[in-house]
Amino acid sequence: AQSVTQLDSQVPVFEEAPVELRCNYSSSVSVYLFWYVQYPNQGLQLLLKYLSGSTLVESINGFEAEFNKSQTSFHLRKPSVHISDTAEYFCAVSEDSGGSNYKLTFGKGTLLTVNP
Amino acid sequence: NAGVMQNPRHLVRRRGQEARLRCSPMKGHSHVYWYRQLPEEGLKFMVYLQKENIIDESGMPKERFSAEFPKEGPSILRIQQVVRGDSAAYFCASSPTRADTQYFGPGTRLTVL
Repeated sequence: AQSVTQLDSQVPVFEEAPVELRCNYSSSVSVYLFWYVQYPNQGLQLLLKYLSGSTLVESINGFEAEFNKSQTSFHLRKPSVHISDTAEYFCAVSEDSGGSNYKLTFGKGTLLTVNP
Repeated sequence: NAGVMQNPRHLVRRRGQEARLRCSPMKGHSHVYWYRQLPEEGLKFMVYLQKENIIDESGMPKERFSAEFPKEGPSILRIQQVVRGDSAAYFCASSPTRADTQYFGPGTRLTVL
């Protein structure tokens, strides 16, 4: 069975600073990888995903994540954060095996707080 | 196009009562998934339904929990005889096909007194 570890439960940063939210996964088969963001009192929104192809994926609001198969990681980065990026970020994985790729396994989440 | 709707957003029940959580998928989506987020935990898969069918309920507790997605109307997650350990946020997601991106609702926060 797959599992996801988000090493940091909270990450406080100042506005315009760079940030990296770490995510490691464990699986015995090929995986699909996702980052979701949850703003206060809202549902989870898909930020970006890796299915195949280029290992570097980007979102429309400046975030990027790189799939590193040897290190089983999918860290999320942004070179310069804004106050509006304050939210909880969830890393998730699904397995490309046995037709159960719909079953997402989530990490515990990382609360990103951007301070002025 | 409205997103995934869940109601109620907050639900308080006393031990032994029943809780009914509703989920209306996005228009055109016939696949629904329920996840549970316990305090200090990530979301955990509970059940996957397609119209009138339960496809995978491997994450559902064996007792007291049931889910349905009728031909008409929202998907319902039902918890009978709730206990304090059922207190959690319950999220519903939907997708147009089995392998597509899942779109999540805002969740229902259940508190059992």
